[in-house]
Amino acid sequence: GQSLEQPSEVTAVEGAIVQINCTYQTSGFYGLSWYQQHDGGAPTFLSYNALDGLEETGRFSSFLSRSDSYGYLLLQELQMKDSASYFCAVNEDSNYQLIWGAGTKLIIKP
Amino acid sequence: NAGVTQTPKFRVLKTGQSMTLLCAQDMNHEYMYWYRQDPGMGLRLIHYSVGEGTTAKGEVPDGYNVSRLKKQNFLLGLESAAPSQTSVYFCASSTRGEPTQYFGPGTRLLVL
Repeated sequence: GQSLEQPSEVTAVEGAIVQINCTYQTSGFYGLSWYQQHDGGAPTFLSYNALDGLEETGRFSSFLSRSDSYGYLLLQELQMKDSASYFCAVNEDSNYQLIWGAGTKLIIKP
Repeated sequence: NAGVTQTPKFRVLKTGQSMTLLCAQDMNHEYMYWYRQDPGMGLRLIHYSVGEGTTAKGEVPDGYNVSRLKKQNFLLGLESAAPSQTSVYFCASSTRGEPTQYFGPGTRLLVL
């Protein structure tokens, strides 16, 4: 079967660093995407990893290990506006159909 | 440049009624998708399209139909609504060769 596992909730302090993990089991794999969704809003794209290693975009970084079927999103210098749900999603084929995790709610405390 | 737009934003239906959700994008994207999102869950793909005139089933297609008569529009139809279809529906689009999907603001549907 297909499944993506990520923690349901993570709490961190403003200014700190937090890592959100994602493990996957899918029939195909082209890449791992991360999306951010604020309450009541639409998902917005954060990053994409097709190859092993670290991708950095400003305060956000994403890592992939294909051999371990594992990835993570790293958020640095946390700001209150980063409070949101974060979803990992696997591209199973070249049409970029996405299989989504259930999401991780990030709670940031001052 | 409006991106991806969805109409309506909110709708209440009675069981057995029908309706059509409209998605439009002005980015000339080839691919379009319909998802549903239920509380505490990730998005699930209902149907998708890789080009004008083509559609395909996703993970949860039962009870829904779609059409893509024009490249910029993707319609999602519910022929006979059921309470289990109460959800938030998101449309998204992407361009061939790029993984980024751009989402509309969503349609909140309540079926009584």
